[in-house]
Amino acid sequence: NAGVTQTPKFQVLKTGQSMTLQCAQDMNHEYMSWYRQDPGMGLRLIHYSVGAGITDQGEVPNGYNVSRSTTEDFPLRLLSAAPSQTSVYFCASSYSGTGSNEQFFGPGTRLTVL
Amino acid sequence: SQKIEQNSEALNIQEGKTATLTCNYTNYSPAYLQWYRQDPGRGPVFLLLIRENEKEKRKERLKVTFDTTLKQSLFHITASQPADSATYLCALGDNYGQNFVFGPGTRLSVLP
Repeated sequence: NAGVTQTPKFQVLKTGQSMTLQCAQDMNHEYMSWYRQDPGMGLRLIHYSVGAGITDQGEVPNGYNVSRSTTEDFPLRLLSAAPSQTSVYFCASSYSGTGSNEQFFGPGTRLTVL
Repeated sequence: SQKIEQNSEALNIQEGKTATLTCNYTNYSPAYLQWYRQDPGRGPVFLLLIRENEKEKRKERLKVTFDTTLKQSLFHITASQPADSATYLCALGDNYGQNFVFGPGTRLSVLP
């Protein structure tokens, strides 16, 4: 099993550009989520999904869109990149989103917005 | 809103000693508390989970305690080794899957 995979590993964007961060998991997990990690602030939840066709906002959703057309994939779209979106982005999956299940994380995407 | 604090941003200890990391939280009544390890440039990796009705959990050299009255969890690594050097994150979760929150992490350095 590959677990949770993310592409790309690194990305540099100019302000105003759009892009999609890809995330896939092969564990048949219903719950998937996107976090951003900034120094001193820990992991902050952007969006999450409890199953195909269902998504919801997390703590910091502004400027990001998600969709979940399949169980395996959960892409994150930046609509118009801003320097404040410079961060490391992690995708995670788990059997459910409750605290009783461990979350499996991808390797992360380091994004710089100039 | 919920707030999670971890004792310090960085903690240095000597090899062989016990490392103790603290996780305090407010405005939350979690059903579960989890601990993760994160190495530089990598995603967090799950270590241990403890339920609200459990006082203590052990796994090899790791021990976690959970005090819902104090709203605090302690994470211990006994006989620490340089390979234990990493950032450790605590996370709180409920039974509904809508409120999984991470703390800012503590960077542990075990000195040889």
